[in-house]
Amino acid sequence: SQTIHQWPATLVQPVGSPLSLECTVEGTSNPNLYWYRQAAGRGLQLLFYSVGIGQISSEVPQNLSASRPQDRQFILSSKKLLLSDSGFYLCAWSVGLAGGSKFFGPGTRLTVL
Amino acid sequence: SQQGEEDPQALSIQEGENATMNCSYKTSINNLQWYRQNSGRGLVHLILIRSNEREKHSGRLRVTLDTSKKSSSLLITASRAADTASYFCATDGSSGAGSYQLTFGKGTKLSVIP
Repeated sequence: SQTIHQWPATLVQPVGSPLSLECTVEGTSNPNLYWYRQAAGRGLQLLFYSVGIGQISSEVPQNLSASRPQDRQFILSSKKLLLSDSGFYLCAWSVGLAGGSKFFGPGTRLTVL
Repeated sequence: SQQGEEDPQALSIQEGENATMNCSYKTSINNLQWYRQNSGRGLVHLILIRSNEREKHSGRLRVTLDTSKKSSSLLITASRAADTASYFCATDGSSGAGSYQLTFGKGTKLSVIP
């Protein structure tokens, strides 16, 4: 069966510090991978998606970047965090239809102070 | 801008009662999905209904879709305390070019009181 891992579960970082959040998927090959951010009381905002190794599409301009160094690994990064980067970051995967069901990881709670 | 908008924002019911949540959207869709999120956790996919379907069932869940009104409802029958969570609808727009973006609403926070 497929599983998706995210770490760390929680993170507190000072403004201006770098960020690296990691997501890995097991039990499937060539998944579509996604990074979402959920701000308090808001819906999910798609940040990045990837259809293959090294292929990254950005949905919104921001302080963040993403990379996919391996088929089942997706990394969210920032060189300098802003206060507005605080939120709940969710990684997800899907196969097949672009708008089909997505399967989410447990999330990372990021607080930037 | 948000595509799906859930209503109500919060709902509190007694265990055993039915819970109904609604979702409205603005543009044409390929499908509409409902997700559940327990506090501080990731989202769990509940059910997907395609634009040519009107009703779908899964266990205690019943989803309806009215494309003429651009709305959907999620009914949870015989609710349990474990159903306490936030529920989100998400739409896949029929852009024709293929969209990887599911657009999520802000969610309905359901509290089921034992």
